[in-house]
Amino acid sequence: DAGITQSPRHKVTETGTPVTLRCHQTENHRYMYWYRQDPGHGLRLIHYSYGVKDTDKGEVSDGYSVSRSKTEDFLLTLESATSSQTSVYFCAISEGSPRIPEAFFGQGTRLTVV
Amino acid sequence: DQQVKQNSPSLSVQEGRISILNCDYTNSMFDYFLWYKKYPAEGPTFLISISSIKDKNEDGRFTVFLNKSAKHLSLHIVPSQPGDSAVYFCAASGAAGNNRKLIWGLGTSLAVNP
Repeated sequence: DAGITQSPRHKVTETGTPVTLRCHQTENHRYMYWYRQDPGHGLRLIHYSYGVKDTDKGEVSDGYSVSRSKTEDFLLTLESATSSQTSVYFCAISEGSPRIPEAFFGQGTRLTVV
Repeated sequence: DQQVKQNSPSLSVQEGRISILNCDYTNSMFDYFLWYKKYPAEGPTFLISISSIKDKNEDGRFTVFLNKSAKHLSLHIVPSQPGDSAVYFCAASGAAGNNRKLIWGLGTSLAVNP
């Protein structure tokens, strides 16, 4: 299994509070991604990173920010959590090589905003 | 507009028979296609991929077929086993620059009945 750890695995938070989810990898992969999974929507990309301090928006980036100060860590922050951000969040990593396009996923973080 | 479509939300097959999961795409610039399997409360796991220069890739019980003219791919599982019951996601990757984002379908829930 690829070395990806997400923390926390479960979190309940109140509307309006900031929340940070952490993704840690031990594979030294260049690309890291944050997805959310919701019923009827499949996997939707929030933000991704293609190197230290290099990040870009995905399709559902509003209300989220990310930071990558080290190769191994990719943080997702909800600046002011809303109920619509209740979801399961997945981190993924990828070498980004044209020969090896597959991404490997963490176990997920279930976030509930009440 | 969805670039990767899995038109069957669910599929039920008998143990030992063939499972065929389908996926259609619209972007002819995709150069890799991937299948992932997802169990409840776990992250997606990579199953098999195919390059756009091939029309078939086989790995044990899993075979992926690609029909570029029809922009269609399918995953065959033979023989199907109860442990194959999961949600299967089709994903596509483009080679634009260094961007290795995956574009996802909504998934097909496979139930293999004993």
